[in-house]
Amino acid sequence: GNSVTQMEGPVTLSEEAFLTINCTYTATGYPSLFWYVQYPGEGLQLLLKATKADDKGSNKGFEATYRKETTSFHLEKGSVQVSDSAVYFCALSDRSGGYNKLIFGAGTRLAVHP
Amino acid sequence: DGGITQSPKYLFRKEGQNVTLSCEQNLNHDAMYWYRQDPGQGLRLIYYSQIVNDFQKGDIAEGYSVSREKKESFPLTVTSAQKNPTAFYLCASSILTGGKETQYFGPGTRLLVL
Repeated sequence: GNSVTQMEGPVTLSEEAFLTINCTYTATGYPSLFWYVQYPGEGLQLLLKATKADDKGSNKGFEATYRKETTSFHLEKGSVQVSDSAVYFCALSDRSGGYNKLIFGAGTRLAVHP
Repeated sequence: DGGITQSPKYLFRKEGQNVTLSCEQNLNHDAMYWYRQDPGQGLRLIYYSQIVNDFQKGDIAEGYSVSREKKESFPLTVTSAQKNPTAFYLCASSILTGGKETQYFGPGTRLLVL
């Protein structure tokens, strides 16, 4: 079945460092890919998405490119801030059951220090 | 302001008690979803509804029930049959754009067992 694998956290960085959070997926067909962010005690917020191969999603300085050849959707940011500390979830859309659902990775916790 | 609201923020359940979590959206989205999040894990789908008066079981529906009498509302009942209800519950709704679906999440309800 379809699945998403994220790099394990926590990821600890100093402010202004470069961020990469790896995400790879297994899927049949051409799913949409998403990154969601969850701040402590809150729900998930959509960070960015890509709906087809070679699409680049971007938002708030974060970017991710849909790479079908490597089945990856790695999240990057050139200069992180303390306020970026959160848990990041990679997800793909799955219609194999005849309905839309999201398949999530386990999440990667990011801690940014001043 | 358009969005998804969930209430209460925290909910306590006694042994053998049924409790109901509220989810309301004013985004005019057709589809709504309930997910469960356990510590350190991604989200798992409990139930979903694509239109009013219709809903389907997700991956972990046992011990839960839902209704969809209005487009805006999708309440989730955690029954006494759910033996391990302690979790963070997230409601989502979705919009279809260009044939691709995007889900948006509410702020969540944390359920604790007394």
